[in-house]
Amino acid sequence: EVQLVESGGGLIQPGGSLRLSCAASGFTVSSSYMSWVRQAPGKGLEWVSVIYSGGSTYYADSVKGRFTISRDNSKNTLYFQMNSLRAEDTAVYYCARGYYDFWSGTFDYWGQGTLVTVSS
Amino acid sequence: QSALTQPRSVSGSPGQSVTISCTGTTSDVGNYNYVSWYQQHPGKAPKFMIYDVSKRPSGVPDRFSGSKSGNTASLTISGLQAEDEADYYCCSYAGSYAVVFGGGTKLTVL
Repeated sequence: EVQLVESGGGLIQPGGSLRLSCAASGFTVSSSYMSWVRQAPGKGLEWVSVIYSGGSTYYADSVKGRFTISRDNSKNTLYFQMNSLRAEDTAVYYCARGYYDFWSGTFDYWGQGTLVTVSS
Repeated sequence: QSALTQPRSVSGSPGQSVTISCTGTTSDVGNYNYVSWYQQHPGKAPKFMIYDVSKRPSGVPDRFSGSKSGNTASLTISGLQAEDEADYYCCSYAGSYAVVFGGGTKLTVL
């Protein structure tokens, strides 16, 4: 059974850093296209980043240069390092698996999400 | 990349059909058949409902169907049931690595 479990969210001051984790089971992260999608309180979904199975990484303009997606193959875990956090980064962050073995922006499995609150 | 445009809300009575539209541009919905739909109940993670415009993942009832015409994709739910009440989001591949979601539609079952 495929499962994704996020952790690492919390309350952080503006300008601070946080690292989110997404532990996967039932499949291999390194063979998949893995994304982070966020949802601000009461708002819609926003795609923010993807790591390809080959290791290439891409970001939405809203987080480019501040956030870094990575993975640890030995732990079958996806990470999201978030630096220079802003109030507008406040959201529930979901990790999600790409459906195909190529990137199409289609997500078949989602974690339960972890809340990041940026506030002083 | 601008968000895809969805109606803020739609409603229908049990047993009826509703359609949710999702309007994009020639850079996303109009140019790719990688349009997907997700259902989200309050406080829950999104659920995969439709992919490649009109395909249903295993386990999704055939009451849910998708289509596309030009720059607009649509999700139709027939035989509405109380448990269909949720938020629905469309999503489209937008070329290269970009992905864009719709703003979401709240479905109310009257």
